[in-house]
Amino acid sequence: DIVMTQSPDSLAVSLGERATINCKSSQSVLYSSNNKNYLAWYQQKPGQPPKLLIYLTSTRESGVPDRFSGSGSGTDFTLTISSLQAEDVAVYYCHQYYSSPPTFGGGTKVEIK
Amino acid sequence: QVQLQESGPRLVKPSETLSLTCDVSGYSISSGYYWGWIRQPPGKGLEWIGSINHSGNTYYNPSLRSRVTISVDTSRNQFFLRLTSVTAADTAVYYCARHGPIDTYYASLDYWGQGTLVTVSS
Repeated sequence: DIVMTQSPDSLAVSLGERATINCKSSQSVLYSSNNKNYLAWYQQKPGQPPKLLIYLTSTRESGVPDRFSGSGSGTDFTLTISSLQAEDVAVYYCHQYYSSPPTFGGGTKVEIK
Repeated sequence: QVQLQESGPRLVKPSETLSLTCDVSGYSISSGYYWGWIRQPPGKGLEWIGSINHSGNTYYNPSLRSRVTISVDTSRNQFFLRLTSVTAADTAVYYCARHGPIDTYYASLDYWGQGTLVTVSS
């Protein structure tokens, strides 16, 4: 199984400031035939299911604000919230779907400083 | 708008079988995509259990394969989870979800049910 490791476990950011979450996979999730990284990011608020934010590393799901962006390749990935809003308080998960079984990172909790 | 809704017993006794149903609305399972089950123990992270498509092709997490069966009923637009020989470690919120937005098993999960907490306890 591919192990997904997120860092930090939690972070506190002031409103309007940048939040950066890292995700490292134990092996590459880059599919060479199409040069796409099979990596997604989800946001989960208390009592709610995860919500897909970004897939294929950097493609925002419909309706997701453009302050959310994803980057990276191979084994190292980043989710950036460019200007943190109060409604962004949540736990964020990365997810690789390059190989079966699909696996998730342990989550990063984002709070307001 | 695609919607998914889990249903089933909220309390299961140890050694018994957990059975859940996912009702899909707003999209016909027969039209495509893979449909999966994911669980989340209280206060913990996400674990994929397994997935199925309209033809009944399944993928299972090897860690649960010996105890899991996922099936589909396209006429009712439902798919199902069956987990045998449960223990307290199987206590979790169970979600059903769709692999998407690209129609392949190797896809992210774009639509999720609200989840149902299943507790394993005598």
